[in-house]
Amino acid sequence: NAGVTQTPKFQVLKTGQSMTLQCAQDMNHEYMSWYRQDPGMGLRLIHYSVGAGITDQGEVPNGYNVSRSTTEDFPLRLLSAAPSQTSVYFCASSSGTGRGDGYTFGSGTRLTVV
Amino acid sequence: KQEVTQIPAALSVPEGENLVLNCSFTDSAIYNLQWFRQDPGKGLTSLLLIQSSQREQTSGRLNASLDKSSGRSTLYIAASQPGDSATYLCAGVSDRGSTLGRLYFGRGTQLTVWP
Repeated sequence: NAGVTQTPKFQVLKTGQSMTLQCAQDMNHEYMSWYRQDPGMGLRLIHYSVGAGITDQGEVPNGYNVSRSTTEDFPLRLLSAAPSQTSVYFCASSSGTGRGDGYTFGSGTRLTVV
Repeated sequence: KQEVTQIPAALSVPEGENLVLNCSFTDSAIYNLQWFRQDPGKGLTSLLLIQSSQREQTSGRLNASLDKSSGRSTLYIAASQPGDSATYLCAGVSDRGSTLGRLYFGRGTQLTVWP
């Protein structure tokens, strides 16, 4: 089925470890973005990309890096994990620089940093 | 900065009631609007998309409307069922130059429908 695929679904990290959350879409969407969801805070934008080779910061970018080498993939890197990064992470994509046929979300990655 | 408010934050009703969930934006420069459903521990499922040229959308027992001039949207659920129990999120796509295409979320309405 076409959509947004996120891996892994669950991850436990120790403070200071690094990891990459993977996101791939097969809908040829230009616009991809990463959100984190925390209780009482709602969904907040971390980074986004309007096309291959173009990325920009969202609302809460500190501690995260992204790159966009292909249209399909938009990985999110945690360079040195901190307990404050314990959250559920969602990747989303959309056509038309976000103003297309709506956003499609992945199923999420539940990350715990101990 | 765009702020999205959803009212009420929580709602508990008996089965069969008709419901209205509200969403408002501080910046009315919204291109389109999406309503999502989220079950506990799960991802976001898109329910309805109101595109730029539209004022409302319907799907089954759900009807959503958008008043761009006031920056307000309403989700109407008819004849509610226990299976409707979930958190409902509204999200607007910015139509403002510096944040064009960004999706802004409310914090959701947690709905419980009891038999």
